[in-house]
Amino acid sequence: EVQLLQPGGVLVQPGGSLKLSCTVSGFSFGSYAMGWVRQSPGKGLEWVSGIDATGKRTFYSESVRGRFTVSKDFPTKTLFLQMTNLRVEDTALYYCAKDRLLLWFGSFDSWGQGTQVSVST
Amino acid sequence: QSALSQPASVSGSPGQSITISCAGSSGDIGAYDHVSWFQHHPGEVPRLILYDVHYRPSGISDRFSGSKSGNTASLTISGLQADDEAIYYCNSYTPSGRVIFGGGTKLTVL
Repeated sequence: EVQLLQPGGVLVQPGGSLKLSCTVSGFSFGSYAMGWVRQSPGKGLEWVSGIDATGKRTFYSESVRGRFTVSKDFPTKTLFLQMTNLRVEDTALYYCAKDRLLLWFGSFDSWGQGTQVSVST
Repeated sequence: QSALSQPASVSGSPGQSITISCAGSSGDIGAYDHVSWFQHHPGEVPRLILYDVHYRPSGISDRFSGSKSGNTASLTISGLQADDEAIYYCNSYTPSGRVIFGGGTKLTVL
């Protein structure tokens, strides 16, 4: 069974940093692209970042490019999202998601339960 | 890039069919056939129901079908059921490697 485990919520101040994690099981971590999608309160889904199966190619939305970094740690089968210079508008439920393929296309066939990130003073 | 354009809401009665459109541009939907659709029930995680315009993942009912014409993709749900009531999102891969979602369409089953 495919599982993507994400920790619970966290509160951080504007300008602060945070590293989200997503530990996977039930599939070959090195064979699939992965991504991050967020949902702000009352809003729709917004793609944040993606990474191919090898971890060598990364992709970012304009809203987070330069502030967020996605990475894969293969020994621990964990996907990370390093978030810096956080803004109030980054407040959202952050989902990690598995792509269907080795290549990155954003067709997410499995999702984690999400980590609530609140950016506030 | 702006979000793909979806109607805010659609509705239909049980047994009927509905279609949700997802309008983009030549720089996203029109560029590739990598369009996906997701069903999102409140409080649950999104579920992939179509990928590459019209392919269904294992376990997805054939009541869900997809198509694309130019820069617009469409999701059709036939034989509406109460459990189909949810928010539906499209997304598209772009040549830059970025992915763009639609704003979401709330489906109400009357």
